[in-house]
Amino acid sequence: ELKVEQNPLFLSMQEGKNYTIYCNYSTTSDRLYWYRQDPGKSLESLFVLLSNGAVKQEGRLMASLDTKARLSTLHITAAVHDLSATYFCALQGAQKLVFGQGTRLTINP
Amino acid sequence: GAVVSQHPSWVICKSGTSVKIECRSLDFQATTMFWYRQFPKQSLMLMATSNEGSKATYEQGVEKDKFLINHASLTLSTLTVTSAHPEDSSFYICSARAGGLGDTQYFGPGTRLTVL
Repeated sequence: ELKVEQNPLFLSMQEGKNYTIYCNYSTTSDRLYWYRQDPGKSLESLFVLLSNGAVKQEGRLMASLDTKARLSTLHITAAVHDLSATYFCALQGAQKLVFGQGTRLTINP
Repeated sequence: GAVVSQHPSWVICKSGTSVKIECRSLDFQATTMFWYRQFPKQSLMLMATSNEGSKATYEQGVEKDKFLINHASLTLSTLTVTSAHPEDSSFYICSARAGGLGDTQYFGPGTRLTVL
């Protein structure tokens, strides 16, 4: 059974700091997704990572994938308050997307 | 990008009534649609997968007689919560995919259901 685990589940940080969210998964897959969810809203797609060593960046967010370690990371650079949200990674399984538990990120001024 | 809509965006109903939620793919044909449920501060839980013209495949523990899913066309799927109870109150999110597993799922904006 495919399992996806995120770490940490809660993260409170100061503006301007850097931090990383980790996403570990149990079996190989063709693609890994990162999503953002604001309170009361649905998912916003951030990145899709398709191959080992893939790195994608958008603004202050950078996602990477290491298929050998079965690990993806979402790195936040010089955090700003607007990045406060819950972030989910999800792995494409044989039949469905499997989501991590989510990381609730709070960025304090 | 592709757009998926849901209607209604929120609904409040009395216990024992049925509620229908619509999910539409606006600019593409969705061969597969997915229905998720999300309780507060939790992750998304897949309820069922539906392919156009065939019966939905429900995840373990999801009552198919309570959560009726219809995917009658390539652009519309509906979820009907029958005889709703307060414990069915949740955020319901649909997603749609045009092709096979290699294609991206596009998520709808969600429907918040509150059962009194």
